[in-house]
Amino acid sequence: ETGVTQSPTHLIKTRGQQVTLRCSSQSGHNTVSWYQQALGQGPQFIFQYYREEENGRGNFPPRFSGLQFPNYSSELNVNALELDDSALYLCASSLAGASTDTQYFGPGTRLTVL
Amino acid sequence: QQQVKQSPQSLIVQKGGISIINCAYENTAFDYFPWYQQFPGKGPALLIAIRPDVSEKKEGRFTISFNKSAKQFSLHIMDSQPGDSATYFCAAFMNTGFQKLVFGTGTRLLVSP
Repeated sequence: ETGVTQSPTHLIKTRGQQVTLRCSSQSGHNTVSWYQQALGQGPQFIFQYYREEENGRGNFPPRFSGLQFPNYSSELNVNALELDDSALYLCASSLAGASTDTQYFGPGTRLTVL
Repeated sequence: QQQVKQSPQSLIVQKGGISIINCAYENTAFDYFPWYQQFPGKGPALLIAIRPDVSEKKEGRFTISFNKSAKQFSLHIMDSQPGDSATYFCAAFMNTGFQKLVFGTGTRLLVSP
């Protein structure tokens, strides 16, 4: 177990709705990254938060947004859900500036959009 | 240029055999190469990782071989066990102001008893 927790485990939404996913990072980690993993694919980088600000973003539209809180926990918000947003959403925590670059993943939230 | 190509897509190995998964990359800015193991319904778990200044790293039954000039790296699982049956992802790490992992497409490994 990595110590990274995510909630909820599963979620079902309908097209056009909004969703918020939550992540608690591993103790001592100050950086949170979010990834989207479609069925049968590798995870794709969405964005990263450090010191409560987004400091890097992948090829995802602005309707994907996030927050990081002072305790380093994080939220991923997706507006105007589309069918293609159905995926496993993974949160990974890491320590910026550490000698290793390891990202530790949580169990993920399975989002189904109908 | 930020892709990581992984092969094979699936692999069946007999118990006790050697499982070999290969990856290739283009971007020389990648400076850390982890392998992740993922079981169904779970998040990826770090298995082993290597930096490009090392040609081989071994941890237990798992070995990474790294060829910097060819921009290729591979995972070898010795004495494969049924419990190793999972999906394996290679990844490449880039730190350009922010930390980003680029994943391969995954290899589904089945170790038959």
